[in-house]
Order: sequence, then structure tokens, then C-alpha cells
Amino acid sequence: EAGVVQSPRYKIIEKKQPVAFWCNPISGHNTLYWYRQNLGQGPELLIRYENEEAVDDSQLPKDRFSAERLKGVDSTLKIQPAELGDSAVYLCASSLDRSSAYNEQFFGPGTRLTVL
Amino acid sequence: AQSVSQHNHHVILSEAASLELGCNYSYGGTVNLFWYVQYPGQHLQLLLKYFSGDPLVKGIKGFEAEFIKSKFSFNLRKPSVQWSDTAEYFCAVSNDYKLSFGAGTTVTVRA
Repeated sequence: EAGVVQSPRYKIIEKKQPVAFWCNPISGHNTLYWYRQNLGQGPELLIRYENEEAVDDSQLPKDRFSAERLKGVDSTLKIQPAELGDSAVYLCASSLDRSSAYNEQFFGPGTRLTVL
Repeated sequence: AQSVSQHNHHVILSEAASLELGCNYSYGGTVNLFWYVQYPGQHLQLLLKYFSGDPLVKGIKGFEAEFIKSKFSFNLRKPSVQWSDTAEYFCAVSNDYKLSFGAGTTVTVRA
């Protein structure tokens, strides 16, 4: 079974430039999560999707961040414009659904973003 | 809001030594508890989890964790570590779908 796929793995951009990250969850997983992991810290949830609906985006900085999950499968996270403080690893995770609190989240390898 | 505190930032030990990583959380309700591991160059993987029942949980690769409700703790242990246990370990807590992670502990095992 293929795991969560993310691309690109690394991205270096200059500040004020836009950037986008792509995630393909495990087949059949209805719930998709985007996390941000700053250096020396644990992942922090940015947004959660149930199918194509963003059901929790309370931690997403909406002035510059946006996300979409068209058709309830792949998802894209965008930053425009990027700031120096956005340098971090962006993780995507998926789980079957949220009907059970016992849901295990499976994580992708992440995209390491460096903003210069 | 729930928060997770991991006691050690970096632990260095020799092969065959015993390992214990501390984790405390703050949340008054029912929680589910997890330990995730991230080996060098790899993605986060679930090591073990606790939802209910026996507070001593066995995980993969010889790891175990003990949930002590009165202390709001979920410490990870391994009696004898191997060089391949070098990794970053994250404690996490959820009360539904939302995982809250600790800052992580880097474990370096010297051969």
C-alpha cells in the first residue's frame, strides 16, 4: 500500500514569492491534515479536511495561506506571499475518517521550505 | 486547549542502555495518547498508542509506554536500545481528531 505522497520534498524561494505544496493521501482515506513543523518543535495542525470540506482551519493564517482539496482526494497548500518566518517543514497526513477517535494518522515525508 | 511537554530535548546513550522519555500533558478530559518516531530521513511513524484499558502499552520494536492518569504522564521506555533506535521521538495527545504534539526528544544511540 502506498503511503502519503508529498511534493516537492524541498523548496527554496525568496521572500514575497508564492509557493505551493501538493499532497496525495492514502487511497480511501477521507480525512486529510496539513501540519507545519518549525525547527525544534512538534507538528502543529493548520487545516483538516473531511472529504472536500475544510472542517477546521482555525490555525491557518488566512491572510497568506490557502488550501484546497478538490474532489476530496489530492490537496494543495499555498502560501502567497511567503515570509521568512514561513520556513518550516509542511507535513500532510491522512486517516480513514473521523467517525472514530481511534483514527491513526499516517504522515507523508513533508516538504522542507526555506524562505530566503 | 491541550498541551504536551517532553522533558528532554536530547538524550545520548550507549547501546544496551535503558531508555525512558518523559511526557506530560495538560487536558482535563478523556485523551488518547501516542508516541511517534521519526528516523533520520524518514517520515513520522506511529510507535504505540493508548486509548483505554491496560495502562501499560506495548508498541513496535520493543518499546512500551505507561499511562499514569494521576500524573498526566505517558512515559516511553525501552529496556535495551540499539543503534537503530537513533531518531526523534514525539509524544502526542488527542481528544478527538486533533493531535497536539510535544516538541520532541532527539535520541542518539552510540554504538
